[in-house]
Amino acid sequence: EVQLVESGGGLVQPGGSLRLSCAASGFTFSTYSMNWVRQAPGKGLEWISYINSRSTTMYYADSVKGRFTISRDNAKNSLYLQMSSLRAEDTAVYYCARASGNAMLRDAFDIWGQGTMVTVSS
Amino acid sequence: QSALTQPPSASGSPGQSVTISCTGTSSDVGGYNYVSWYQQHPGKAPKLLIYEVSKRPSGVPDRFSGSKSGNTASLTVSGLQAEDEADYYCSSYAGSRVFGGGTKLTVL
Repeated sequence: EVQLVESGGGLVQPGGSLRLSCAASGFTFSTYSMNWVRQAPGKGLEWISYINSRSTTMYYADSVKGRFTISRDNAKNSLYLQMSSLRAEDTAVYYCARASGNAMLRDAFDIWGQGTMVTVSS
Repeated sequence: QSALTQPPSASGSPGQSVTISCTGTSSDVGGYNYVSWYQQHPGKAPKLLIYEVSKRPSGVPDRFSGSKSGNTASLTVSGLQAEDEADYYCSSYAGSRVFGGGTKLTVL
């Protein structure tokens, strides 16, 4: 079964850091580009970051640029999101999502994890 | 404020058809054929319904169809069923990836 499972969410104080992980299974992880998408409570979806299969190209939304870093370890079938300088407005469910093709940000997101909740509050 | 504009709500009776619009600009929806649609049930992850304006992934019923005219994309759900009650989001390539604010579909 094709599956993505996020972990690492929790409660963090403003200005703090957190690292999210996404474990992939059921497909050849190393051949797919990946994304992080978040959803604030009661709000819509927001794309925040992209990484290609070989980690040579990364993109970020303006809202997280300079604070978040996407990375991956193909040997471990894992995707990561290092988040720093966290703000209250970063409170959201964070989803990892597989890109359906090789067209970079033109691709749809065809497989999603169940999400992990990040709460930024003092 | 979302980059793409969707109506907050839509509704229809079982068996009817409903269309949800997604309005952008020539820099996103109107400029590229990379519009996708996602279905999200409460507390669940989004699910891909439509990609590249009108293509359906394997396993998605043909009751779901997509189209585009100018700067507006549309998702049509035909033969409404109770399980179609969910939130629906459009998304477009725009240099980055942007989403609409979502439409809550109610099956009456």
